[in-house]
Amino acid sequence: SAVISQKPSRDICQRGTSLTIQCQVDSQVTMMFWYRQQPGQSLTLIATANQGSEATYESGFVIDKFPISRPNLTFSTLTVSNMSPEDSSIYLCSGGGDRDLNTEAFFGQGTRLTVV
Amino acid sequence: KQEVTQIPAALSVPEGENLVLNCSFTDSAIYNLQWFRQDPGKGLTSLLLIQSSQREQTSGRLNASLDKSSGRSTLYIAASQPGDSATYLCAVRQGSGYALNFGKGTSLLVTP
Repeated sequence: SAVISQKPSRDICQRGTSLTIQCQVDSQVTMMFWYRQQPGQSLTLIATANQGSEATYESGFVIDKFPISRPNLTFSTLTVSNMSPEDSSIYLCSGGGDRDLNTEAFFGQGTRLTVV
Repeated sequence: KQEVTQIPAALSVPEGENLVLNCSFTDSAIYNLQWFRQDPGKGLTSLLLIQSSQREQTSGRLNASLDKSSGRSTLYIAASQPGDSATYLCAVRQGSGYALNFGKGTSLLVTP
């Protein structure tokens, strides 16, 4: 399957600041997905990102807090804005399974964010 | 809304044992089911993908089965090793969208 390079791998940030997470895929994918994994919890979908259009956000997530860019078929960014300690989580990007639903999804290595 | 449940939440076994991890889902209208491994603080590594038309998939010491009608999947790990220690996640992909719905995972510890 394809490989996603995600960075940064971890960061410690001050509350009130913003962090942008980048994901680069080694092949073209139509859709990319951003997930959050809070401590001790499973993965929750934040949004789905298509190239050239606004991301589609899940209930409980808004564009002002988690703006997403998708400038081409191999790259996406997620920004966590105006951070608070509650935003401390692992953030993961994912691709795959879009043109053909029966292909496997693949993930970046995750960004472990700690907000102090 | 699809709910994915994994049992047990945690499991500790001695090296060499065969073990079974369970996954259940409430909506049987899935396109596929995927098992992942997650090491502490890391991303997800795909282990096995089972399409909705399949009953099982095998890769090395891993075998995953799918009973779509009853909403269940199992991941069988043969001859467990300390390197198998990780969290194992089950996820299903629905027909109504493209994202995966995840269970909370089973944390596995294999002791030497």
